[in-house]
Amino acid sequence: EPQLVESGGGLVQPGGSLRLSCAASGFTFSSFAMTWVRQAPGKGLEWVSIIAAGGGRTYYADSVKGRFTISRDNSKNTLYLEMNSLRVDDTALYYCSKGEPGDLGPWGQGTLVTVSS
Amino acid sequence: QSALTQPRSVSGSPGQSVTISCTGTSSDVGGYDYVSWYQHHPGKAPKVMIYDVSKRPAGVPDRFSGSKSGNTASLTVSGLQAEDEADYYCCSYAGSHSWVFGGGTKLTVL
Repeated sequence: EPQLVESGGGLVQPGGSLRLSCAASGFTFSSFAMTWVRQAPGKGLEWVSIIAAGGGRTYYADSVKGRFTISRDNSKNTLYLEMNSLRVDDTALYYCSKGEPGDLGPWGQGTLVTVSS
Repeated sequence: QSALTQPRSVSGSPGQSVTISCTGTSSDVGGYDYVSWYQHHPGKAPKVMIYDVSKRPAGVPDRFSGSKSGNTASLTVSGLQAEDEADYYCCSYAGSHSWVFGGGTKLTVL
């Protein structure tokens, strides 16, 4: 059964950096695009970024463009999200999901990023 | 990339039907047949209930149905059950490899 497990969240000061990881199992990771979605406290879901199966094409929401970098290591079945110049409004639960938004998933349980001084 | 508009909350009694709307623009909901709906129980991973406007994944009860008219998509839950109480989010492809979610709707089963 496909499974995703996020890690790497934590408390970071404004302007700081953090790298999230998403370990995949139960499916052929290298055959699927992968997506990051976040949910700020008390807010709705927000699409963050997507990477193609081979890793050659990446796309970002305007809110994170130029600050976040999505990448993947298909040899390790792992997805990453490098987050730089973090702002207070980046505070959220970050989910990774298999495929594009609207695909059947699954999604992970999420990892919490808190940006605060 | 403005969020799609959903009602903050809807409610219904067991056995009744409720419909959740999701309004966007011709650049997202109205422009593509790639609207999906997610059910999210707090503390759990979101689960897709409807994809491509009206398709239902295997294992999702046929009490859940989706439709679209113009720039507005809708999710209807028929025969409400207690376990349907959750937050529901719509999501639409918005072109240029980008997606947009709705603000979410809390469904309460009275």
